[in-house]
Amino acid sequence: EVQLVETGGGLVQPGRSLKLSCVASGFTFNNYWMSWTRQAPGKGLEWVASITNSGGSTYYPDSVKGRFTISRDNAQNTLYLQMNSLRSEDTATYYCTSGEDPYYFDYWGQGVMVTVSS
Amino acid sequence: DIVLTQSPALAVSLGQRATISCKTNQNVDYYGNSYMHWYQQKPGQQPKLLIYLASNLASGIPARFSGRGSGTDFTLTIDPVEADDTATYYCQQSRNLTWTFGGGTKLELK
Repeated sequence: EVQLVETGGGLVQPGRSLKLSCVASGFTFNNYWMSWTRQAPGKGLEWVASITNSGGSTYYPDSVKGRFTISRDNAQNTLYLQMNSLRSEDTATYYCTSGEDPYYFDYWGQGVMVTVSS
Repeated sequence: DIVLTQSPALAVSLGQRATISCKTNQNVDYYGNSYMHWYQQKPGQQPKLLIYLASNLASGIPARFSGRGSGTDFTLTIDPVEADDTATYYCQQSRNLTWTFGGGTKLELK
């Protein structure tokens, strides 16, 4: 059974940093692209970052480019999201996602809440 | 940027057909595939993949769900609607290695 378990969320002040982790199991991690998707309270879904299976290429929307960094450790089956210069609009539940194909998300974690507030 | 537009809400009677639309401002077809996908999200839960590449049913999803469309116009159909289908439905495109979602359509029962 595929499992994605996110950790690292919490309350952080604007301008500070936070790093999320996602431990994967139940599939061959180093064969799959991985992504982060977020959902602000009461709002829709927003893609945040993606990384190729080797980690050699990364992709971001303009809303987080230059502030967020996605990375992975294939030896530890773990995905990361380093979030710097956090803003109130980054407040959301962050989901670790993956799938059989890079273009859609078969697998979702339970999500981890990040609150950016003073 | 590719923008996806969905109607905010839809009310349907039990046993009837629900048709949810998603329109994009750019063509999401590429080399014979339409890079449009659909998800269901119930309150307090993570989203679940229903349909991938416009018309392919994801694993474990009942055949009451179907998807169609190409280019810039896509639909998700649920027929017949069951009580458990009350949820928010999102379309998502992945053309050009950018992944964007529609605003979601909340399906309610009449």
